[in-house]
Amino acid sequence: EVQLVESGGGLVQPGGSLRLSCTASGFSFGNYAMNWVRQAPGKGLQWVSALSGSGGNTYYADSVKGRFTISRDNSKNTLDLQMHSLRAEDTALYYCAKGSSGFDDIDFWGQGTLVAVSS
Amino acid sequence: QSALTQPPSVSGSPGESVTISCTGSSSDVGGYDRVSWYQQPPGTAPKLMIYDVSHRPSGVPHRFSGSKSGNTASLTISGLQTEDEADYYCSSYTSASTLLFGGGTKVTVL
Repeated sequence: EVQLVESGGGLVQPGGSLRLSCTASGFSFGNYAMNWVRQAPGKGLQWVSALSGSGGNTYYADSVKGRFTISRDNSKNTLDLQMHSLRAEDTALYYCAKGSSGFDDIDFWGQGTLVAVSS
Repeated sequence: QSALTQPPSVSGSPGESVTISCTGSSSDVGGYDRVSWYQQPPGTAPKLMIYDVSHRPSGVPHRFSGSKSGNTASLTISGLQTEDEADYYCSSYTSASTLLFGGGTKVTVL
């Protein structure tokens, strides 16, 4: 059974940093691209970033480029998102999501971890 | 990049059919057969319902179907059931090597 468990969310001040993690199980982690997708309270889904299975290719939304860094450790089945220079508009539930044939065809989502940016 | 355009809401009675549109451009929906649809009941994570425009994952009821014409993709729910009440989102791969979601559509079963 595929499982994705996110952690690391919390309350952070504007300009601060936070590192999210996602632990995967139930599939060959290194064979699949992974994503971070966020959802602000009461709003729609917004794609944040993706990383190929090997970790060699990274993709970012313009809104986070230069502030967020996605990474993975295939030996530990973990996906991370390092977030810097956080803004109020980064407040959201952050989902870890598994790609299928590519990063864009997400076929499974975690339950999310909440990030709140506020003073 | 702006979100793909979806109607905010659609509704129908049990047994009826509803269709949700998802309009983009030639740089996303129109340029690639990489459109997916997700169902999100309140307080839960999204669930894949359709991928690659019209393919249904195993376990998804046959009443869910997808199609595309030009820059607009569509999700049709035939024989609407009460458990289909949820938010639905489309997504598409883009020419900028990003993933773009629609704004979401709330489906209400009357």
